[in-house]
Amino acid sequence: EIVLTQSPVSVPVISGEPASISCRSNQSLLHTSGHNYLEWYVQKPGQSPQLLIYLASIRASGVPDRFSGSGSGTDFTLKISRVEADDVGLYYCMQSLETVRTLGQGTKVEIK
Amino acid sequence: QVHLVQSGAQVLKPGASVTVSCKTSGYSFNQYFVHWLRQAPGQGLEWMAIINPSGDSTTYAQKSQGRVSLTSDTSTTTVYMELSSLNNDDTAVYFCARGNHNYGIDVWGQGSTVIVSS
Repeated sequence: EIVLTQSPVSVPVISGEPASISCRSNQSLLHTSGHNYLEWYVQKPGQSPQLLIYLASIRASGVPDRFSGSGSGTDFTLKISRVEADDVGLYYCMQSLETVRTLGQGTKVEIK
Repeated sequence: QVHLVQSGAQVLKPGASVTVSCKTSGYSFNQYFVHWLRQAPGQGLEWMAIINPSGDSTTYAQKSQGRVSLTSDTSTTTVYMELSSLNNDDTAVYFCARGNHNYGIDVWGQGSTVIVSS
């Protein structure tokens, strides 16, 4: 099973400041196609999760360019360039290399 | 517009079975997978299973294997998740969501609360 480890558990950030979340995999998520099968989701309070990033670095439709994904192989990062109050929530990475998906344990982004 | 609308909240006793429905609309049903995930109170998201409505092939997480069953009805574009032998640890919000291997899980249902209590 592919295990994803996110850090930190919580990110307290001042509004307007950047935030960064790490996701590490115990196996490479790089497919022979050259794509890294790593996705990022956010679950805002009281809402269903929503897709932010797929294939490690491609923003989903409607996602602000304040969000960016990077990384390859086993190390990935989600960056928010300027955190806004609406960004508060739980952020998850998920691997889609295997049919059986696995997720990180989640990182809570909160405003200081 | 793409929608996934799930059935309502249910309260069941330990040992019972539950079926949660996920009515899809606004897209070609057979061209996307449907995932099921759940979130227990205060816990993170847990992926449970996936179905390809075109052919009904399914894959289950090892933890779910044997207790979860996914089916689809192309005539009503609805996917069903049945979970049997319920225990207290199955108390959670269950989500269905539309997925594509290359483009992520892009549309989610509103969630269905299942409470297991004696």
